[in-house]
Amino acid sequence: DAKTTQPPSMDCAEGRAANLPCNHSTISGNEYVYWYRQIHSQGPQYIIHGLKNNETNEMASLIITEDRKSSTLILPHATLRDTAVYYCIVRAPNTGNQFYFGTGTSLTVIP
Amino acid sequence: DSGVTQTPKHLITATGQRVTLRCSPRSGDLSVYWYQQSLDQGLQFLIQYYNGEERAKGNILERFSAQQFPDLHSELNLSSLELGDSALYFCASSTHSGGARTDTQYFGPGTRLTVL
Repeated sequence: DAKTTQPPSMDCAEGRAANLPCNHSTISGNEYVYWYRQIHSQGPQYIIHGLKNNETNEMASLIITEDRKSSTLILPHATLRDTAVYYCIVRAPNTGNQFYFGTGTSLTVIP
Repeated sequence: DSGVTQTPKHLITATGQRVTLRCSPRSGDLSVYWYQQSLDQGLQFLIQYYNGEERAKGNILERFSAQQFPDLHSELNLSSLELGDSALYFCASSTHSGGARTDTQYFGPGTRLTVL
């Protein structure tokens, strides 16, 4: 699996967009980018995933650069409940599907 | 609510003991994964089962074992427990085995194990 690099922490004002970057410069052509978050000690929560094109769902948007070496998770209107650790995971579909979690980004939404 | 259930929520036991953690996957999911999260290690993949068969192994100790039953629930057995085994243990499930397609995992609420 490609390795990912994320900033250890970020702050965001409540109501503003939170943009969480992830570098995955060694990603290969068939590797998907997944984003999960973990609120306190709860189970990781699936947010979104993508391969090449930008993706959007009810929780967030995922922007993947054209060269696929980096991506950005966008929470359009951050709330206090979005305070969590956000993990960017890159994996290939032929690897047994286990996820390798890095250290993630600790996002704090400030009132 | 992810649809994945884990029992018990909390478990306190002594060193040298054996415990069993239980996981029920989402309806229709055939794969079950176990992860360990300790303070100094982050989330570590332990093992994956698909439709009753072991599919992939990660950093699982020999003192730990798992199985997936015909009804697709899974159990993680931890024996000869040590203080360092204190951690959160998460189970996740997905529809497929991985293989040729990507497959989203959905995580349960976890079991907090404390070894005294």
